[in-house]
Amino acid sequence: KQEVTQIPAALSVPEGENLVLNCSFTDSAIYNLQWFRQDPGKGLTSLLLIQSSQREQTSGRLNASLDKSSGRSTLYIAASQPGDSATYLCALGDTGFQKLVFGTGTRLLVSP
Amino acid sequence: GAVVSQHPSWVICKSGTSVKIECRSLDFQATTMFWYRQFPKQSLMLMATSNEGSKATYEQGVEKDKFLINHASLTLSTLTVTSAHPEDSSFYICSASKGFREKLFFGSGTQLSVL
Repeated sequence: KQEVTQIPAALSVPEGENLVLNCSFTDSAIYNLQWFRQDPGKGLTSLLLIQSSQREQTSGRLNASLDKSSGRSTLYIAASQPGDSATYLCALGDTGFQKLVFGTGTRLLVSP
Repeated sequence: GAVVSQHPSWVICKSGTSVKIECRSLDFQATTMFWYRQFPKQSLMLMATSNEGSKATYEQGVEKDKFLINHASLTLSTLTVTSAHPEDSSFYICSASKGFREKLFFGSGTQLSVL
């Protein structure tokens, strides 16, 4: 059974800092990995999707990497802003039909 | 981007009643939708996979007679919590995909509180 752990569980940083969120998983036989942000009352927003054959994806200030052999993914956020405050979730897909196993989440607070 | 609408956003009901939650893909057709549940301070857990025109596939430990899923069209899936009890109180959220290997889009979620 796939288990997904995210570290740290919570993170508080001042505006402008670069930060790294970690996601580890136990079964490397994954189809893809996604990073989401969860805002209260607004559901989930997909940030980045990495296919199993890829090593990283970038979107604006966000960069996600994937190392299947070590069972790890990292989400790098550059020049953090208060608007980045949210809970960040990584999720593993076992098929192309997007049946996901979610991590435990990292709650991020960026203060002005 | 694609939009998935979920209603209601929150609902409070008495124990023993049934509650229906709707999930609509507004600007794309979704042959497959997914229903997740999230208890406080826990991860999102997949409950079931909803396929248009066929029976839903439920995850182990999820009671199919209690959580009725109907996917009657390519843009609408509903989850009905029958005879709700306080332990069913949770955050329920749906997701839909445009197709194979496509990104998932999530609804805004429904907070259910059963008194």
